[in-house]
Amino acid sequence: DSGVTQTPKHLITATGQRVTLRCSPRSGDLSVYWYQQSLDQGLQFLIHYYNGEERAKGNILERFSAQQFPDLHSELNLSSLELGDSALYFCASSVELSANYGYTFGSGTRLTVV
Amino acid sequence: DAKTTQPPSMDCAEGRAANLPCNHSTISGNEYVYWYRQIHSQGPQYIIHGLKNNETNEMASLIITEDRKSSTLILPHATLRDTAVYYCIVRPDSSSGTYKYIFGTGTRLKVLA
Repeated sequence: DSGVTQTPKHLITATGQRVTLRCSPRSGDLSVYWYQQSLDQGLQFLIHYYNGEERAKGNILERFSAQQFPDLHSELNLSSLELGDSALYFCASSVELSANYGYTFGSGTRLTVV
Repeated sequence: DAKTTQPPSMDCAEGRAANLPCNHSTISGNEYVYWYRQIHSQGPQYIIHGLKNNETNEMASLIITEDRKSSTLILPHATLRDTAVYYCIVRPDSSSGTYKYIFGTGTRLKVLA
């Protein structure tokens, strides 16, 4: 157990639907990062939040949005889902803004869009 | 965006040292080298990082060449549980304002019994 909790572990939904993925960082970690990993693809950085504030954005689609709440948990919202959105979604956390000592990843949410 | 080049796959005999190379010829002076691994579809796991000096921890050793254009991750006594995809990442230090890691395609290491 890495200390980063992601729920749900698995999600199956239909095209056009909207889902919310949740991430609870390790206790004391202020930074949350979201990554997408499609089948046989590398990890694509989506977005980074630090203490409730968005700090960096990657190749995140406009249909996707995220936020970090005062209790530091984060949610990734995916809307108007397409088959191509099927992927593993990971969040990671770190204590400090710079993450100079690395991230800790959660075990991921596997999203299947049918 | 990946600034690193790694062989797509490698095999290693169980109990032997696994040496995973990474080329980062365009690395800048303030950029660190990080290594992560991903076992099957689990979340990636941080292994080690360094700037210019060689580093060692309980998991592995990181050897960075003097010109910093390449590095090698060494797993001293590979076990079957070390079978994973290993990612070498170059990331600027925090003063650049960039905090995200860009993962490449990594090296798929298979440890053979």
